[in-house]
Amino acid sequence: GDSVTQMEGPVTLSEEAFLTINCTYTATGYPSLFWYVQYPGEGLQLLLKATKADDKGSNKGFEATYRKETTSFHLEKGSVQVSDSAVYFCALSSSGTYKYIFGTGTRLKVLA
Amino acid sequence: NAGVMQNPRHLVRRRGQEARLRCSPVKGHSHVYWYRQLPEEGLKFMVYLQKENIIDESGMPKERFSAEFPKEGPSILRIQQVVRGDSAAYFCASSPGTGDGRTEAFFGQGTRLTVV
Repeated sequence: GDSVTQMEGPVTLSEEAFLTINCTYTATGYPSLFWYVQYPGEGLQLLLKATKADDKGSNKGFEATYRKETTSFHLEKGSVQVSDSAVYFCALSSSGTYKYIFGTGTRLKVLA
Repeated sequence: NAGVMQNPRHLVRRRGQEARLRCSPVKGHSHVYWYRQLPEEGLKFMVYLQKENIIDESGMPKERFSAEFPKEGPSILRIQQVVRGDSAAYFCASSPGTGDGRTEAFFGQGTRLTVV
């Protein structure tokens, strides 16, 4: 079945450091890919998405490119801030379905 | 600009009691999904509903759990005779009815259930 694998956390970075959170997926067909962010005590917020190969999603300085050849959707940010501290979830939605498969999440902690 | 509203935010139940979790979707959305997040884990799909219909309940435990989305009013996730293992965060999401799998879902803030 479909699945999403994320790098395990926690990830601890200093402010202004470069961030990469790896995400790979297994799916039949051509899924849509998402990154959601969960701040402490809150629900999930959509950070960015990509619906087809080579699409790049971007928002708030975060970027991720849908790589079909490597089945990956890695999240990157050039300069993290303390306010980026949260849990990041990679997810997919397969074509023709309506439910999401989530990775286990990666906790990011940014130190001032 | 009301998003997905869930209540209560926190719920404490003793073992054997019933828990009722409510979810009001984004206005105009007719599709509701429930997910469960166990501590330090990702979200797991439980059930997908449209108004008055359960479309997919493949992620629901076979016993004690039920869900509904009536014509009027919020969606309800009901857990009967709760056990400690039911302690988790339960998230509701909604989306407009497109059904093509490319629609993003909007999530509520969740209900954190604690069974004591």
